Amino acid sequence: NAGVTQTPKFRVLKTGQSMTLLCAQDMNHEYMYWYRQDPGMGLRLIHYSVGEGTTAKGEVPDGYNVSRLKKQNFLLGLESAAPSQTSVYFCASSYEDSETQYFGPGTRLLVL
Amino acid sequence: GQQVMQIPQYQHVQEGEDFTTYCNSSTTLSNIQWYKQRPGGHPVFLIQLVKSGEVKKQKRLTFQFGEAKKNSSLHITATQTTDVGTYFCAGRSPLYGNNRLAFGKGNQVVVIP
Repeated sequence: NAGVTQTPKFRVLKTGQSMTLLCAQDMNHEYMYWYRQDPGMGLRLIHYSVGEGTTAKGEVPDGYNVSRLKKQNFLLGLESAAPSQTSVYFCASSYEDSETQYFGPGTRLLVL
Repeated sequence: GQQVMQIPQYQHVQEGEDFTTYCNSSTTLSNIQWYKQRPGGHPVFLIQLVKSGEVKKQKRLTFQFGEAKKNSSLHITATQTTDVGTYFCAGRSPLYGNNRLAFGKGNQVVVIP
């Protein structure tokens, strides 16, 4: 089992560019989450999904979109990147909402 | 505003000493989870506490959930260099928007050899 994987590991964007971050899990988990981590801010939930075909907003959803077309994949899109979106992005998944969240290795994004 | 508060935010601990990190909520939590993130790594689940007054131990780590289910603590004895990292608590409450898990800002621990 690979667990939770994220691609890419690192990316540099110019302001206004778009990109998609991919998260994949092989644990057959229903729930998937996207967080961003900034120094001194902890983990903040961007969007989450409670199952294939569903998405919902988290704490800081503005400027991001997500899709969960397949149960094992959760995509995070930035349509027009801004320097404020420079962060480390973590994907996580869990079998049930109340249970352990398994995190991916993270994607470091730098927006210039 | 921050729903789950962690104190302190930073700690420098001498190797061999004990330390405690605290997690507080203004509302009653249905459960609380603790995660550890090594420098450059990703959060890794440590434990979940559900019952009022619950105490769980993992070797040198002792986790407690308060009687009122509003606070929790992690106590580490005989600190080792492998304990370096950031410890996050994450609480769940029906008042936290759709009962989502709310993470604290973390307690960054530096171990002094």
